[in-house]
Amino acid sequence: DGGITQSPKYLFRKEGQNVTLSCEQNLNHDAMYWYRQDPGQGLRLIYYSQIVNDFQKGDIAEGYSVSREKKESFPLTVTSAQKNPTAFYLCASSSVYGETQYFGPGTRLLVL
Amino acid sequence: AQSVTQLGSHVSVSEGALVLLRCNYSSSVPPYLFWYVQYPNQGLQLLLKYTSAATLVKGINGFEAEFKKSETSFHLTKPSAHMSDAAEYFCAVSDRGGSQGNLIFGKGTKLSVKP
Repeated sequence: DGGITQSPKYLFRKEGQNVTLSCEQNLNHDAMYWYRQDPGQGLRLIYYSQIVNDFQKGDIAEGYSVSREKKESFPLTVTSAQKNPTAFYLCASSSVYGETQYFGPGTRLLVL
Repeated sequence: AQSVTQLGSHVSVSEGALVLLRCNYSSSVPPYLFWYVQYPNQGLQLLLKYTSAATLVKGINGFEAEFKKSETSFHLTKPSAHMSDAAEYFCAVSDRGGSQGNLIFGKGTKLSVKP
């Protein structure tokens, strides 16, 4: 079955801690994206990658970092610099940049 | 710059009634337009998309949307609501992989269906 997986489903972060959210796709897509979702605000783009070994900042990149060392993987690290990390995080991919995006099931990040 | 406005953050309909969710967009180039649905604590599922072929687009679960360039609208409709349609719906626009090829999302409309 082709698709996008995100893990874990729930993640708890302590003060001052960095945490990493996993996103894997087996769709052979070139482009991958990370979004943050807060109630009533829609989805906001954090980072995107058009191709392996390349990524660009989105609208709200501060306090986040990513890597794209493999085509199928695009992990997101929420650093201690992100002061309000509580949100639902969604990963997406598309065959090429700008084409239809398909989404994973999401990770909910909570602060202890 | 592109933008999307969804009119009404909450819409409530009775089961069997018409569903109409409104979306207006702004784009400097011919856009791609999308509707996604999200059930609680899940990811987004693509309902339908407009990519400059037919202006009336049919999607999954009986939904359809019509692209109206003169009104810059892409409203989502379904003739008869079902309880299982209760979810949040997002309209999105992209400029087809151009300088702003990322999706720009509206803030969403939560649909409630009353028995």
